[in-house]
Amino acid sequence: GAVVSQHPSWVICKSGTSVKIECRSLDFQATTMFWYRQFPKQSLMLMATSNEGSKATYEQGVEKDKFLINHASLTLSTLTVTSAHPEDSSFYICSAPTGNQPQHFGDGTRLSIL
Amino acid sequence: GENVEQHPSTLSVQEGDSAVIKCTYSDSASNYFPWYKQELGKRPQLIIDIRSNVGEKKDQRIAVTLNKTAKHFSLHITETQPEDSAVYFCAPQAGNMLTFGGGTRLMVKP
Repeated sequence: GAVVSQHPSWVICKSGTSVKIECRSLDFQATTMFWYRQFPKQSLMLMATSNEGSKATYEQGVEKDKFLINHASLTLSTLTVTSAHPEDSSFYICSAPTGNQPQHFGDGTRLSIL
Repeated sequence: GENVEQHPSTLSVQEGDSAVIKCTYSDSASNYFPWYKQELGKRPQLIIDIRSNVGEKKDQRIAVTLNKTAKHFSLHITETQPEDSAVYFCAPQAGNMLTFGGGTRLMVKP
């Protein structure tokens, strides 16, 4: 079945570093991907909708200059957390819809900023 | 946008008992209603879903019921087992966008 591969699964880095997270659709084309953030003991909150070949759509309160999204191909979307700080530490997860089928989630990336 | 509320936020049951979690939503355009189970540090796993033209669906110990008029759907787990302990999320979908409820932490005591 359809698979979404997300890398890396775990990142620890120093404050001020930029971190790139990749989300790939392995056996289907994803014109749209969704990026979520999940803080401990909270729900998944949609950050942005990634659209192949066009600009991402950001949810209210999400800084587009801090969370850069690129969706240059039909199988790859990237989220770059620029100048990350401890408050950006969270679980980031992507998903891709596949027509009339349930959405497929990546395995998530646990980001820890020291 | 969609407003989703999920109750209860925590639920503790004895092994073998039933558990029911309810989800209410606001967007009448929602037409797909999944429930996800999430274990710590892992991605949400789809456990059951229902589409808007169906009122109830069952898969072994798990069932989902939908009342589209009242805009709510519920997850029913019977004969609970310790391995059912996890966080459960409803996530009604309008178009291709899911909106997650706040989650329910289910604890099944042996």
